[in-house]
Amino acid sequence: TQLLEQSPQFLSIQEGENLTVYCNSSSVFSSLQWYRQEPGEGPVLLVTVVTGGEVKKLKRLTFQFGDARKDSSLHITAAQPGDTGLYLCAGLLGGGGADGLTFGKGTHLIIQP
Amino acid sequence: DAGVIQSPRHEVTEMGQEVTLRCKPISGHDYLFWYRQTMMRGLELLIYFNNNVPIDDSGMPEDRFSAKMPNASFSTLKIQPSEPRDSAVYFCASSLGTFNEQFFGPGTRLTVL
Repeated sequence: TQLLEQSPQFLSIQEGENLTVYCNSSSVFSSLQWYRQEPGEGPVLLVTVVTGGEVKKLKRLTFQFGDARKDSSLHITAAQPGDTGLYLCAGLLGGGGADGLTFGKGTHLIIQP
Repeated sequence: DAGVIQSPRHEVTEMGQEVTLRCKPISGHDYLFWYRQTMMRGLELLIYFNNNVPIDDSGMPEDRFSAKMPNASFSTLKIQPSEPRDSAVYFCASSLGTFNEQFFGPGTRLTVL
């Protein structure tokens, strides 16, 4: 069983459309990160959210952390071909322990020109 | 800084052979992580180190896998003997503190025939 479930697994849309991808869990996380990975490269951090209900914006990307810190969403406005990639959410479990990040399997996003 | 450096970038070997993957973290970072990525299982944490000391190796699949960090600037992940199911992309990442951004290397694509 995957600790972090991401949906959809695959998404292909036209340039200019809006989209939302989700990251859900039954566990509470002390923080949650979103990464983007391009083919042949390692993931690169986009944002970290820490507080329940927190919303962060990065240009056309809006990230939200659920009130209960169990889920998160990424919304992209007016998607562009450069947004194409694998989007990964990663959570750090609470409790103060020095745990490593737990990653979801990711959403493969393709933006067609 | 050159970022996290991994070598080799690609490795093709035959079943039963020993494989050694190498990682140089970003200077000054005190955490080092080894991950494995496959389409089926996504990005899985194998082991991580803090100040060169292994903290959690519960993700290491079996005794055929071992990892060392002899000093702050070098780590190895060894598979002996290798099996076809070990084929994956192996990433090394480093961070300053466990709660902060992880910087990933470009990965080593391992193919075991």
